[in-house]
Amino acid sequence: QKEVEQDPGPLSVPEGAIVSLNCTYSNSAFQYFMWYRQYSRKGPELLMYTYSSGNKEDGRFTAQVDKSSKYISLFIRDSQPSDSATYLCAMGGGGFKTIFGAGTRLFVKA
Amino acid sequence: DTEVTQTPKHLVMGMTNKKSLKCEQHMGHRAMYWYKQKAKKPPELMFVYSYEKLSINESVPSRFSPECPNSSLLNLHLHALQPEDSALYLCASSQDGGGNSPLHFGNGTRLTVT
Repeated sequence: QKEVEQDPGPLSVPEGAIVSLNCTYSNSAFQYFMWYRQYSRKGPELLMYTYSSGNKEDGRFTAQVDKSSKYISLFIRDSQPSDSATYLCAMGGGGFKTIFGAGTRLFVKA
Repeated sequence: DTEVTQTPKHLVMGMTNKKSLKCEQHMGHRAMYWYKQKAKKPPELMFVYSYEKLSINESVPSRFSPECPNSSLLNLHLHALQPEDSALYLCASSQDGGGNSPLHFGNGTRLTVT
């Protein structure tokens, strides 16, 4: 079993839809959780970083962490074609090794 | 543009060549990383420098040789690479020298080994 499970998609939605991206994990030692967005031929860009259970909002993006269920989510409201990218969840437990999910490819159709 | 700058953006090299990848950050971050990313895969950790000292080498073949000349710079020296080493090489930095802070990535060097 992988430490972090993420559906690779692809996920295709119409413009304006609410997008829900999810990851599950097995290691209780993970303490902090991140979402990265990666456009084609670019490096991953840090979107959200959270250290605790609960919700964190930034503009159209909301990150949700449920440590009891070992489940994290990223919601994108009013999705735009420019949101089309690969979204990587990532987590760490202290130390240098960040564990990444496989990445979900998202396509937002105009 | 990111705050982690990588050069060159693209590199094509033969198996007998020697080349170097460069990375620079001016955010005052204390840890710097090299990752390798193959198409449609997540980044894979290669090396970590913390306070300019090599902290982690993920059993990377010796044809990859990292160097950290100072707290802002990170190099990756390449020698006698194989075609399967073709990938996107990403540099990252994190604020905490102990690794307990998120990674900030550059846009990578796309390497092709012929």
